[in-house]
Amino acid sequence: DARVTQTPRDKVTEMGQEVTMRCQPILGHNTVFWYRQTMMQGLELLAYFRNRAPLDDSGMPKDRFSAEMPDATLATLKIQPSEPRDSAVYFCASGLVFGTSFSEQFFGPGTRLTVL
Amino acid sequence: GENVEQHPSTLSVQEGDSAVIKCTYSDSASNYFPWYKQELGKGPQLIIDIRSNVGEKKDQRIAVTLNKTAKHFSLHITETQPEDSAVYFCAASRSGGGADGLTFGKGTHLIIQP
Repeated sequence: DARVTQTPRDKVTEMGQEVTMRCQPILGHNTVFWYRQTMMQGLELLAYFRNRAPLDDSGMPKDRFSAEMPDATLATLKIQPSEPRDSAVYFCASGLVFGTSFSEQFFGPGTRLTVL
Repeated sequence: GENVEQHPSTLSVQEGDSAVIKCTYSDSASNYFPWYKQELGKGPQLIIDIRSNVGEKKDQRIAVTLNKTAKHFSLHITETQPEDSAVYFCAASRSGGGADGLTFGKGTHLIIQP
């Protein structure tokens, strides 16, 4: 049963600490998205990659957030330094672009981040 | 950029009745409109989608309608069941299938009363 996996599922940290969230997309998918979910803002697109290349990170605070894909099976989202306002659930989603078609976006279970 | 408005924020219906959730979008270039269901502690899951060349799509008890002129689309769930209780999100995208990301509405908490 192919699915997107995310680690850790829950993370509690103190303000100023570095946080790294990891995502393993579905094998064979070439597009990976990072979303953030809060009560106030809902689900927001932070960044996305295709074939490991970043295509858009305009939704991401540049000064403290960074997203990478070290290889096709791993995407990371890093926050340094973390702040209380970063508390949210972070979702990774993956999909496959083939020709002019695109599969649906499959979401992972999310990482719940709490910054004290 | 795109802005998606979703109403209502909470909807309570009796089991067996129908539920309707409505969304409007701002970008006339959007051509893909999916609906996601999110259960507690889980990620959103696609339940149905519609593209701009279609006015209506149905899948068993779920249907979606799209009015491109008015820039609004709706989710209809008939014969609601307890397992339909969840948060539902509409979304919009300019790219086919959402290949370049999705803009989501704020969600509707659907409560099915037994």
